[in-house]
Amino acid sequence: DSGVTQTPKHLITATGQRVTLRCSPRSGDLSVYWYQQSLDQGLQFLIQYYNGEERAKGNILERFSAQQFPDLHSELNLSSLELGDSALYFCASSPLPTFYEQYFGPGTRLTVT
Amino acid sequence: ELKVEQNPLFLSMQEGKNYTIYCNYSTTSDRLYWYRQDPGKSLESLFVLLSNGAVKQEGRLMASLDTKARLSTLHITAAVHDLSATYFCAVPHSFSGNTGKLIFGQGTTLQVKP
Repeated sequence: DSGVTQTPKHLITATGQRVTLRCSPRSGDLSVYWYQQSLDQGLQFLIQYYNGEERAKGNILERFSAQQFPDLHSELNLSSLELGDSALYFCASSPLPTFYEQYFGPGTRLTVT
Repeated sequence: ELKVEQNPLFLSMQEGKNYTIYCNYSTTSDRLYWYRQDPGKSLESLFVLLSNGAVKQEGRLMASLDTKARLSTLHITAAVHDLSATYFCAVPHSFSGNTGKLIFGQGTTLQVKP
């Protein structure tokens, strides 16, 4: 158990819908990362937040957005969902924004039907 | 663009045998991470390699880093079934500046047969 929690574990929704994935980092970690894992794209970095501010952006679609709240938990919002958005979404955290290993949560499996 | 490539992508081996997984990356980096993922599970940190020539060992796994060759290896000694998993290497995206953006390899799925 890494100490990173994610909810929900599974999510099944229809195309066109909007969902919110939630992540709580390890106690004391200020930086949160979101990754998407799919069979065709592999593990892809989406976005990083550090102490409430966006720190880095990766291959995140415009339909996706994220934020980190004052209590340091983070939410990833996915809208206008498409079949291709079906994937495992991981949140990770680290104490500082760079040079530390990242600890991954259990993931949220999103299925878009 | 930073690319991280692993080979092989799939490895089937007998228990008791030795093998090496290779991770090549396309730009300079002084650190590299190895993770393990069991099917349907999260990523577990295995090794953090922080400098050229770094070598770390844990049980039957040993990882090394050659920053000049832009190469890391994960060596498996006397494989056992419990090592069956997918192994990822990851490199910090240095062009991002002061961020923790990681670029992952494709993963190597290891299957150890009894």
